[in-house]
Amino acid sequence: QVHLVESGGGVVQPGGSLRLSCAASGFTFSHYGLHWVRQAPGSGLEWVTFIRYDGSSQYYADSVKGRFTVSRDDSKTTVYLQMTSLRSDDTAVYYCVKGKDYGDHFDHWGQGTLVTVSP
Amino acid sequence: EIIMTQSPATLSLSPGESATLSCTASQSLGTNLAWYQQRPGQAPRLLIYVASTRATGIPLRFSGSGSGTEFTLTITSLQSEDFAVYYCLQYARSWTFGQGTKVEMK
Repeated sequence: QVHLVESGGGVVQPGGSLRLSCAASGFTFSHYGLHWVRQAPGSGLEWVTFIRYDGSSQYYADSVKGRFTVSRDDSKTTVYLQMTSLRSDDTAVYYCVKGKDYGDHFDHWGQGTLVTVSP
Repeated sequence: EIIMTQSPATLSLSPGESATLSCTASQSLGTNLAWYQQRPGQAPRLLIYVASTRATGIPLRFSGSGSGTEFTLTITSLQSEDFAVYYCLQYARSWTFGQGTKVEMK
């Protein structure tokens, strides 16, 4: 059974940094790519970033390019999202989502972690 | 960037009725389209992928169709647990969600 558990959310000031983690289990971690998707309060879903199964490539939404970095540690079956230069419009629930590769849909979602950017 | 447009924004229906949700892409996707359901306070869950394939455990009352730029999610005989927000996702080039359709109880 696939299990994705996000952590690291919280309140941060504008311009600050935060690192989210997603601990995965229930599947062969090194065979799958992973996404981060966010949802601002009362809003829809926005894809943020994807890292390929082998970490060879990362893809980012224009809204976070140059500020967010995705990485993975297969030995810990964990994916990370390092967020810097945070802005108020980064406030959202951040979901870790299991994919496969570029050109594939997402299947399993974590429960999300809330990031609030506020003075 | 591929733009995804869902309609209607809100659908007001009674249990037992059928729902038809639309999703239009700004460019051809082939069949690289998925549908997700999000109930209040929950994470989204996968319903349909490759435009018409039901995900594991999804009831037969959910069906998807379409290709190219026009896609449809149909829910026959709405159950109480089906009242939720539905999102389409294109994965032909990068990934983009539609803005969602809320299916609410009349």
